[in-house]
Amino acid sequence: SQQGEEDPQALSIQEGENATMNCSYKTSINNLQWYRQNSGRGLVHLILIRSNEREKHSGRLRVTLDTSKKSSSLLITASRAADTASYFCATDLVQGGSEKLVFGKGTKLTVNP
Amino acid sequence: DAGITQSPRHKVTETGTPVTLRCHQTENHRYMYWYRQDPGHGLRLIHYSYGVKDTDKGEVSDGYSVSRSKTEDFLLTLESATSSQTSVYFCAISESLQISYEQYFGPGTRLTVT
Repeated sequence: SQQGEEDPQALSIQEGENATMNCSYKTSINNLQWYRQNSGRGLVHLILIRSNEREKHSGRLRVTLDTSKKSSSLLITASRAADTASYFCATDLVQGGSEKLVFGKGTKLTVNP
Repeated sequence: DAGITQSPRHKVTETGTPVTLRCHQTENHRYMYWYRQDPGHGLRLIHYSYGVKDTDKGEVSDGYSVSRSKTEDFLLTLESATSSQTSVYFCAISESLQISYEQYFGPGTRLTVT
C-alpha cells in the first residue's frame, strides 16, 4: 500500500528558479527521507527529517514537515540543470511488527538551461 | 553507487527460465534489500535481509526468492520468469533496519522477460 505520494508528478522550470515538491502520507511517521534519482542510476539519499523537526536545510535544499497535515515539502533553491532528476519521498511504515521504508512514485524535475 | 555493485546490469530472458541477480557490497552493512521499480508504482520492496541466512518478505515477494550466504552478497532469484517481472531491480544496503538510517542504492539491473 502506498504510504507517500509526491506532487506534482512532473515539474519543468528554468535554471535559477526554485523548485518545490510535495509529499503527502497517510499514517503517522517517525521519520521522512528524500532521495534523488538521476536517469538510469540508483537512488541517492538527500536528507532525513524527524517527526519532531519542522524544517531542515542542506545546501540548496530545504525540507519542511507538517505532521498535522501529514505532508512534507522539498525546496531546491537556485536550481541548476544538474538538478534534473526524479525526487522521491520515503516514509516509515510499521507492518507485522517490523519497520519498512516505503517510497512514493516520485516527482520528475526538469531544469532547462 | 559506491560500494555496491549489481550483476548483470542488463539481461533479456525468456518466460519460464530461471534468473539470478547478484548484489555485492563492500561496506559490511548488515541490512540488504531488493526493490523493483516500475512506471506508475515507484519502488517496491521485494525481500530484505538482516544478516547471513536471515531474510524476510517485502511487499511484492511472490515469484521471487533470495539467499544470503555471505555478508557481502545478496542474491535474488526468479524461479520461473514471467513477463510481469520485467522491471528495473535495485539492491540497497543500510547499517540498520530502523528507518532513521539512510539506504544506499546500487546502479540497478534492467531485466526484460520476453
